[in-house]
Amino acid sequence: AQSVAQPEDQVNVAEGNPLTVKCTYSVSGNPYLFWYVQYPNRGLQFLLKYITGDNLVKGSYGFEAEFNKSQTSFHLKKPSALVSDSALYFCAVRDISNTGTASKLTFGTGTRLQVTL
Amino acid sequence: KAGVTQTPRYLIKTRGQQVTLSCSPISGHRSVSWYQQTPGQGLQFLFEYFSETQRNKGNFPGRFSGRQFSNSRSEMNVSTLELGDSALYLCASSLAAGDTQYFGPGTRLTVL
Repeated sequence: AQSVAQPEDQVNVAEGNPLTVKCTYSVSGNPYLFWYVQYPNRGLQFLLKYITGDNLVKGSYGFEAEFNKSQTSFHLKKPSALVSDSALYFCAVRDISNTGTASKLTFGTGTRLQVTL
Repeated sequence: KAGVTQTPRYLIKTRGQQVTLSCSPISGHRSVSWYQQTPGQGLQFLFEYFSETQRNKGNFPGRFSGRQFSNSRSEMNVSTLELGDSALYLCASSLAAGDTQYFGPGTRLTVL
């Protein structure tokens, strides 16, 4: 079974400082990994994904994520946080080796990012 | 290109009633998935449809059902509503099964 862990319920960072939102995963085969962001009363907005290739993935709004296979992690990062980045962030995994559930996304519990002035 | 649309955006029902939610995917997308989001359980997969066929189903009771039409639009139905069904129901579409999923704004269902 596939699973995702986001160990921090909330991350607080000052505007202009770098931010990291942590994510670790567990799958039996090769993972597809995703980050989504959710603003209040909105659906999930796709940020970036890792499928294969370069371990550093760049996405929307200056976000990037680093895939680390040995640590089974996929942490979300941004060099300089903005107040407008404050939102709920979800990490998700799909086990591509399991064709029966290939489309099923398993989400973490979410991390609330609070960026202050 | 228009995004995923869901109707209605808000619903209030009473226990025992049934409800139908609608999802229109991004043009050209053939796969539609549904998720339930609650504060307690987080985001949970309900089911996925591709070319009018259910390909995958999550661990939800039979009261939850869905279908997909030939134009890729999808509906999900919940019968005999319970208080615990109160949630944000999210629809996501992708070009094909296994591709990146793009989410709609959701339907907020409140069961009284």
